[in-house]
Amino acid sequence: NAGVTQTPKFQVLKTGQSMTLQCAQDMNHEYMSWYRQDPGMGLRLIHYSVGAGITDQGEVPNGYNVSRSTTEDFPLRLLSAAPSQTSVYFCASSPSGNTYNEQFFGPGTRLTVL
Amino acid sequence: AQKVTQAQTEISVVEKEDVTLDCVYETRDTTYYLFWYKQPPSGELVFLIRRNSFDEQNEISGRYSWNFQKSTSSFNFTITASQVVDSAVYFCALSEAQGGGADGLTFGKGTHLIIQP
Repeated sequence: NAGVTQTPKFQVLKTGQSMTLQCAQDMNHEYMSWYRQDPGMGLRLIHYSVGAGITDQGEVPNGYNVSRSTTEDFPLRLLSAAPSQTSVYFCASSPSGNTYNEQFFGPGTRLTVL
Repeated sequence: AQKVTQAQTEISVVEKEDVTLDCVYETRDTTYYLFWYKQPPSGELVFLIRRNSFDEQNEISGRYSWNFQKSTSSFNFTITASQVVDSAVYFCALSEAQGGGADGLTFGKGTHLIIQP
């Protein structure tokens, strides 16, 4: 199993550009989520999904969209990138439909918005 | 609202010293789960331990041990005989049962542990 994969690993955008961060897992996990990590801030939840077709907002959802058309994929879309979205983004999945158990994290995407 | 505080921003010790990383949490829920994750310089997040609110037994895994005390809302992590490979950022995190546990983990801001040779 590849576990949780994220692409790209690095990305530089200009303000106003849009892009999609890809996340996929091959463990048949129901629960998937996106976090952003900023220096001195820990990780903060952006969006999450408890199963295909179901998504919800986390702590910092503004400027981001998600969809969950399949169990495996959970892409994160930035509609109009802003410098404040410069961060490291982590995707995670869990076998249960919640965060009671170990979250399996992807390797992260480092995004810089100029 | 839940909250996790890791008051130690950075700790630096010499190899072979013991070191304790503090974690204090706040929650109104009686059922919750606590975690520790390690983030080495390579950047990935490595799961270390999970503890539920009904299990206050301390746990030891090799050089690692965890002390969970509900009375003080703390879940501290001790590394015995530290090694350079222990250098990393360590995160404590909380998941509440309220809401079905779907609304993610609440992370502390992390403690950067530096082990000097």
